[in-house]
Amino acid sequence: EAGVVQSPRYKIIEKKQPVAFWCNPISGHNTLYWYRQNLGQGPELLIRYENEEAVDDSQLPKDRFSAERLKGVDSTLKIQPAELGDSAVYLCASSQDRVRFFGPGTRLTVL
Amino acid sequence: QKEVEQDPGPLSVPEGAIVSLNCTYSNSAFQYFMWYRQYSRKGPELLMYTYSSGNKEDGRFTAQVDKSSKYISLFIRDSQPSDSATYLCAMSAPNQFYFGTGTSLTVIP
Repeated sequence: EAGVVQSPRYKIIEKKQPVAFWCNPISGHNTLYWYRQNLGQGPELLIRYENEEAVDDSQLPKDRFSAERLKGVDSTLKIQPAELGDSAVYLCASSQDRVRFFGPGTRLTVL
Repeated sequence: QKEVEQDPGPLSVPEGAIVSLNCTYSNSAFQYFMWYRQYSRKGPELLMYTYSSGNKEDGRFTAQVDKSSKYISLFIRDSQPSDSATYLCAMSAPNQFYFGTGTSLTVIP
């Protein structure tokens, strides 16, 4: 069974530029999550989707971050404009029950 | 007080040693308890999960949950250099999910 797929794996951009990350969850998993992980820390939830609906986006910095999951499968997370402090690993996860499965992440470096 | 506390280490052990990794928590509503392994530059990989209290064994790995003490452990027997990674505990209840900060483990050949 294929796991959670993310792309790109690495992204380097200059500050104030836009960036987008893509995620394809495990087939059949209705719940999709975006997390951000800083070095030496555990992942922090940004947003949770149940099918197409964002049911928890309380931790998403809405002034510059946006996300969508139009058909209830793939999802995109966007940052515009990026700031230096956005450098981190962005993880996508999916679940069918209480256990979450993670993708490999996208390592973002903002210069 | 954080929902989940985990000693960040780093922990360094010789090959073949028994490793004990631990987390404590404060929320008695947690029902699922998970351990993830994360290699450098990779996403967290689910190792094991347990529902409620008790022990669960999978090969060299044993997960223990003591809900009365709000304490969970992961034991690794006969540790190998390939076990060198960061280990994250995680816990969930309805509409709640929390990670520990992770413990960095190095197994020295």
